[in-house]
Amino acid sequence: EAQVTQNPRYLITVTGKKLTVTCSQNMNHEYMSWYRQDPGLGLRQIYYSMNVEVTDKGDVPEGYKVSRKEKRNFPLILESPSPNQTSLYFCASNQGTEAFFGQGTRLTVV
Amino acid sequence: ELKVEQNPLFLSMQEGKNYTIYCNYSTTSDRLYWYRQDPGKSLESLFVLLSNGAVKQEGRLMASLDTKARLSTLHITAAVHDLSATYFCAVLNNDMRFGAGTRLTVKP
Repeated sequence: EAQVTQNPRYLITVTGKKLTVTCSQNMNHEYMSWYRQDPGLGLRQIYYSMNVEVTDKGDVPEGYKVSRKEKRNFPLILESPSPNQTSLYFCASNQGTEAFFGQGTRLTVV
Repeated sequence: ELKVEQNPLFLSMQEGKNYTIYCNYSTTSDRLYWYRQDPGKSLESLFVLLSNGAVKQEGRLMASLDTKARLSTLHITAAVHDLSATYFCAVLNNDMRFGAGTRLTVKP
């Protein structure tokens, strides 16, 4: 079954404690993206990747890092989380006309 | 830079009424997606529109695409409460960009 898997689904952390949200896809897609969703703002792109070792900033990259060492994985790294990064995060992969989303990670930074 | 504008952002309808949600985008693309999102859930794919003039229908929802006008519409016919959700359009140009979403509430 084609899917995008994010972990964890829920995370509460404290300001400044580094964390990683993992994303994995099993469709051999080249493109992967991270979005954050905040009330009234829709989904805003954080980073995207066009292939292994190729990443670029989206609309709201500040405070985030990504890496793409393997085609299937695209982790999102928050080196020093802050409360304004409390949000719902989605990972997506796409190629051609196929687009799939993970189940979301609800992150709370206190 | 690709921008996607969706309106209205909020829509309150009575059951049985019709309405249209609009999605404008700023650069050439022939891949337009509509998604539904229920509170706390991920995005559920509704329609994928891949060519100018494409029209797709599923139940009370119908989506269309005009690539020349860079406009897609999602038409709701005879709304029912179960359609209450947030609807997003998205344009795919290598990466996917979303509209801000339309929060639809259907009241009895």
